[in-house]
Amino acid sequence: QKEVEQNSGPLSVPEGAIASLNCTYSDRGSQSFFWYRQYSGKSPELIMSIYSNGDKEDGRFTAQLNKASQYVSLLIRDSQPSDSATYLCAVPGGAGGYNKLIFGAGTRLAVHP
Amino acid sequence: EPEVTQTPSHQVTQMGQEVILRCVPISNHLYFYWYRQILGQKVEFLVSFYNNEISEKSEIFDDQFSVERPDGSNFTLKIRSTKLEDSAMYFCASSEYGGPNTEAFFGQGTRLTVV
Repeated sequence: QKEVEQNSGPLSVPEGAIASLNCTYSDRGSQSFFWYRQYSGKSPELIMSIYSNGDKEDGRFTAQLNKASQYVSLLIRDSQPSDSATYLCAVPGGAGGYNKLIFGAGTRLAVHP
Repeated sequence: EPEVTQTPSHQVTQMGQEVILRCVPISNHLYFYWYRQILGQKVEFLVSFYNNEISEKSEIFDDQFSVERPDGSNFTLKIRSTKLEDSAMYFCASSEYGGPNTEAFFGQGTRLTVV
């Protein structure tokens, strides 16, 4: 069974700082990785996907993937109080067509003014 | 922007009763999923569905659970005889394709409370 590990936090950063969220995964064969944001009591919202080693940027978000070390990270630049949420790392799993996501427990981010 | 919609947003039921949770996936998506999240715990996969049949299910998805696509737009999860431990948020998701690079989009969830 594939596993996805995240530090539960909370990670507390001041407004305007860079927040760095990390995720490690157990299956060296994993090919794709997803970051979801989940506000309290709400559903997961997809914010980034990454498939290749290196960095992928989208606005204030940068995903970084290092397959050799089996970790993926999410950087949030210029953090805002509205970024305060739990960030979930997910990798595809399952037999055949990978038709399921395995989620980490999530890292709670708190951005304080 | 297209989105997955779920109804009801909150369902309270008595233990032993049957519940049906409803979802309308994004219209051009072909793969449908149900996940659940018990309060304070991880999001857990329940079942995936493609071409009118289950493609994968978890150990949680036992005989009391079933899924159906009764028409061209709805996707339902039925729990036949609810237990207290079924209390959770249930999320429907859909994706346009299958495979490891597929992006799945989640509905807003149904909070199921079994009393």
